[in-house]
Amino acid sequence: EADIYQTPRYLVIGTGKKITLECSQTMGHDKMYWYQQDPGMELHLIHYSYGVNSTEKGDLSSESTVSRIRTEHFPLTLESARPSHTSQYLCASSEGYADTQYFGPGTRLTVL
Amino acid sequence: GDSVTQMEGPVTLSEEAFLTINCTYTATGYPSLFWYVQYPGEGLQLLLKATKADDKGSNKGFEATYRKETTSFHLEKGSVQVSDSAVYFCALFGGGSNYKLTFGKGTLLTVNP
Repeated sequence: EADIYQTPRYLVIGTGKKITLECSQTMGHDKMYWYQQDPGMELHLIHYSYGVNSTEKGDLSSESTVSRIRTEHFPLTLESARPSHTSQYLCASSEGYADTQYFGPGTRLTVL
Repeated sequence: GDSVTQMEGPVTLSEEAFLTINCTYTATGYPSLFWYVQYPGEGLQLLLKATKADDKGSNKGFEATYRKETTSFHLEKGSVQVSDSAVYFCALFGGGSNYKLTFGKGTLLTVNP
């Protein structure tokens, strides 16, 4: 059983609010990822991290930012939420790039 | 660049039917291949994987064989159950990408009793 957690599971907020989606893992993995999943189920990589103090943008341009100050923690922040940010956000981690990615349960974000 | 093409859904089957979900890939080099499954309201979890040509991955009655000659990794199960209803993603790592998995678009499977 993988130990990767996301909070909150569901979030409904108004336009313009600042939000942080939390992601934590207890497996000591160096690699962590954020995906955005659209209603059609397709996954888009928006951020990833090689390890502490390293973050990179993924394939899909996103207005969100991430940080990696501790190995186990990889939060995603939206400074000013908009309805276009409404989506499901999935966090994942892996020991190495070629290794199995373990996913959290996701945060379903709705911006009104 | 790397890409994965999988069968579009949705796929609807009756319980105990045979399942095939097609997956083909394009990659430069020798990728590892994966099938992930996403049950309703959950994140993805690894179903099976294969790391080299002719390898067969298997788990929970599902199987897929890494076919380099046809660049395919089709998912099969001989007898599906209602509990198999989920979204299935084919993915690859390697080849032209050195940092990420490349996912297919997902196939929604619904199994009716």
